[in-house]
Amino acid sequence: EVQLVESGGGLVQPGGSLRLSCAASGFTFSSYWMSWVRQAPGKGLEWVANIKQDGSEKYYVDSVKGRFTISRDNAKNSLYLQMNSLRAEDTAVYYCASGTGTTLTLDAFDIWGQGTMVTVSS
Amino acid sequence: DIQMTQSPSTLSASVGDRVTITCRASQSISSWLAWYQQKPGKAPKLLIYKASSLESGVPSRFSGSGSGTEFTLTISSLQPDDFATYYCQQYNSYSVTFGGGTKVEIK
Repeated sequence: EVQLVESGGGLVQPGGSLRLSCAASGFTFSSYWMSWVRQAPGKGLEWVANIKQDGSEKYYVDSVKGRFTISRDNAKNSLYLQMNSLRAEDTAVYYCASGTGTTLTLDAFDIWGQGTMVTVSS
Repeated sequence: DIQMTQSPSTLSASVGDRVTITCRASQSISSWLAWYQQKPGKAPKLLIYKASSLESGVPSRFSGSGSGTEFTLTISSLQPDDFATYYCQQYNSYSVTFGGGTKVEIK
């Protein structure tokens, strides 16, 4: 079964750090771009970051540049999001996602995890 | 960054209605446009990719059209399971962006 499972969410104080993980199974993880997408409570979807198959290219939404770092370990079929200097506005459900329609470039997200909640509050 | 504008933000419709949602890009994205359906507490589900290609397993009442900057998602005959929120997404740029969403409610 094709699956993405996120973990690592929780409650953190403003200015704190958290590392999210996403475990992939059922598909060739190393062949595809991977992404993080978040959704604040009651709000729409917001793309956070992308990473190329070999980790050589990474892209971020402006609001997290310099604070968040996306990475992957293809040997462990795992995606990560290191989040530093967290703010209240980072409170959201964080989803990992992948587009497996092509290996050539970023694709529409046909695989999503169930999400992990991050709450930034004192 | 490419901005995606969806309309309407909310839509009230009845079972059997034909429903159309519009998405406009701030610059040309060719056909690199996807549509997702999301239900409360669930992850989004891919419906349409490359503007008009139906994802495997998605009912044929869903269809997409458009290119460049104007796109539409059409549900030909709304079913009870279709009441949800729909998002468009451009992936022409590596800095992906989503539209603000359209909530389809029961009339």
